[in-house]
This record gives sequence, structure tokens and C-alpha cells, in this order.
Amino acid sequence: DGGITQSPKYLFRKEGQNVTLSCEQNLNHDAMYWYRQDPGQGLRLIYYSQIVNDFQKGDIAEGYSVSREKKESFPLTVTSAQKNPTAFYLCASSITGGGYTFGSGTRLTVV
Amino acid sequence: QKEVEQNSGPLSVPEGAIASLNCTYSDRGSQSFFWYRQYSGKSPELIMFIYSNGDKEDGRFTAQLNKASQYVSLLIRDSQPSDSATYLCAVNIRGSYIPTFGRGTSLIVHP
Repeated sequence: DGGITQSPKYLFRKEGQNVTLSCEQNLNHDAMYWYRQDPGQGLRLIYYSQIVNDFQKGDIAEGYSVSREKKESFPLTVTSAQKNPTAFYLCASSITGGGYTFGSGTRLTVV
Repeated sequence: QKEVEQNSGPLSVPEGAIASLNCTYSDRGSQSFFWYRQYSGKSPELIMFIYSNGDKEDGRFTAQLNKASQYVSLLIRDSQPSDSATYLCAVNIRGSYIPTFGRGTSLIVHP
């Protein structure tokens, strides 16, 4: 079955540590996205990619980095520069301009 | 002025009633409109999309688009307690294939 897989489901980060969130899709979608969701804040776009080896910053890219070396994969690294990383991170994919298929999300907590 | 606005709710309706969720948007050139359902602690799921003026029906769900008045609505007939969730409206603003999300409306269907 086609879908989009995020891992891990829960992640704990120590101060000053970089962590990487995985996102893989087998829907053959060109576009992939990363969002952050905080309680009461709605979805905020971090990065997006329309094609392999190309990506653009979203509204809150500071402290995050991404890569798109394969069509199926779009990992997100939360760097130590991100001062308030505790949130629910959502990866999504779509055909260009179409509705999103979301992954199940990763809950990141700073310890 | 926010680009996509939704009443945060909660909207409370009795089981079996029609739930009406509304979304207004600011850009008259918006092309595509999406409704997502998000259960507490879970990721959003696409439930409806609409591109043309008028109504689009899918089972108990009807999306209504009025471009002249710049609103899109989601009607849920015969509401069930399992429909209790947050409903996110997303709009592709003119010139962008990245949707702008509203903050969502919380729906509670009580037995």
C-alpha cells in the first residue's frame, strides 16, 4: 500500500544536540513538505521541496535543515540553533498543487 | 488580515445533526480548497477538496464553495461522535502551490 512513513514516533533531544527526523513516501509524489505544529498555533511550514536536489525555506526555517537526494526521502534535521524545538513535526507529500498526504508525525521533546 | 480564517470553536452539535464549518479567505484569485480532519494527537487527513463554485458531495460530507463571497464550507450530515475532531481548511492562494492553512475549528458531537 502507498503511504508516507515518519520515524521515530517519539524523539528526545538533549540541549546542544542535532537530531534527524525521517520521512519516506512511496506515493511517487514530486513535492514534499515539513510542518511544525504547536498547541493552538496551527501548521507552520518549515521547508518544502518540489523536485530532487532542490528545496526552499518556509516560514520558520531557522534552526532546521533538510536534504532531498531521492524522490522518496526528505529528512529534517533539527539543529542546536533551534532554541525551542519541542513540537509535533509533520511530513507531507503531494502532487504539485494537490492535497496533502501526511505522515503520522514525530513528537520531539527537549530533555 | 489573516489569509485563511476559521472560527476556533468548539462547535458543539448533537448526534444526528448537521455540523456546518466555515472558512473565509482573503485572496479572490484562490484556486484550490481543501478540508482536513485531525483527531487529537494524530496527523491531519484529507477529506474533501473543491475547485469550482458550488457543492461537492462525498458520503455524509459536502463542501460548498462561493468564490464571490470568498468562503468555503464543510457540512457534515448525520453527525456522529466519531466526527469529533479539529477540521482544518487549506487554500491555495493565487500564484502559490503551497496551501495556506487556517488554524482549525474544533467540532464536538455529543450523544
